[in-house]
Amino acid sequence: IQMTQSPPSLSASVGDRVTITCRASQSINTYVNWYQQKPGKAPKLLIYTASNLQSGVPSRFSGSGSATYFTLTISSLQPEDFATYYCLQTYSAPLTFGGGTKVEIK
Amino acid sequence: EVQVVESGGGLVKPGGSLRLSCAASGIPFSTYAMNWVRQAPGKGLEWVSSISSSSSYVYYADSVRGRFTISRDNAKNSLDLQMDSLRAEDSGTYYCASSIGYCSGSTATCYQPFYFDYWGQGTLVTVSS
Repeated sequence: IQMTQSPPSLSASVGDRVTITCRASQSINTYVNWYQQKPGKAPKLLIYTASNLQSGVPSRFSGSGSATYFTLTISSLQPEDFATYYCLQTYSAPLTFGGGTKVEIK
Repeated sequence: EVQVVESGGGLVKPGGSLRLSCAASGIPFSTYAMNWVRQAPGKGLEWVSSISSSSSYVYYADSVRGRFTISRDNAKNSLDLQMDSLRAEDSGTYYCASSIGYCSGSTATCYQPFYFDYWGQGTLVTVSS
């Protein structure tokens, strides 16, 4: 199962609303996670099963989607949100990540 | 406090072998599936391998199948990745991650919820002559 993530990068300002998308090559129900990774650090789980917010993650992060189309939205971008974001399909092995979206400061 | 610590990375020549280890504490290790995820320098994340809690099910990425072997010892709360016939494209940081949920069966369908919750800091593997 291929996960096509877009855009590969984006520039945004603090306070902006940001949306990242992932498309699956086949229907995967709601079995998508979203991770945030900062340079030199391990990824951090944000969202699981498409729309469930991981404990401790700010509510400005949200996820939606099903079947083949999924989105991660940051409602009001904060300085600490500048990072790279990845989707991951957990429908079946081999598990596959999207290519990543680097969110940079405008 | 949960701790996940990888070790065993280093410099190895193409065709060589390396064994990575992962030690986990603060979680009921024997009830968690475990995974390896890697990241080539400057590139994205790539899932490498998963093993169910009782070692009944193991899965590999196509890129490593037949060369890498995942194993675990629940008595020692440890996970290993034996890497043989290494190639330059295997270079990168290797992360160990626990997962709620696991995959099973010939269809490799994954039981939900499935997510990587605890990650190590990674260990760097460099394959170069």
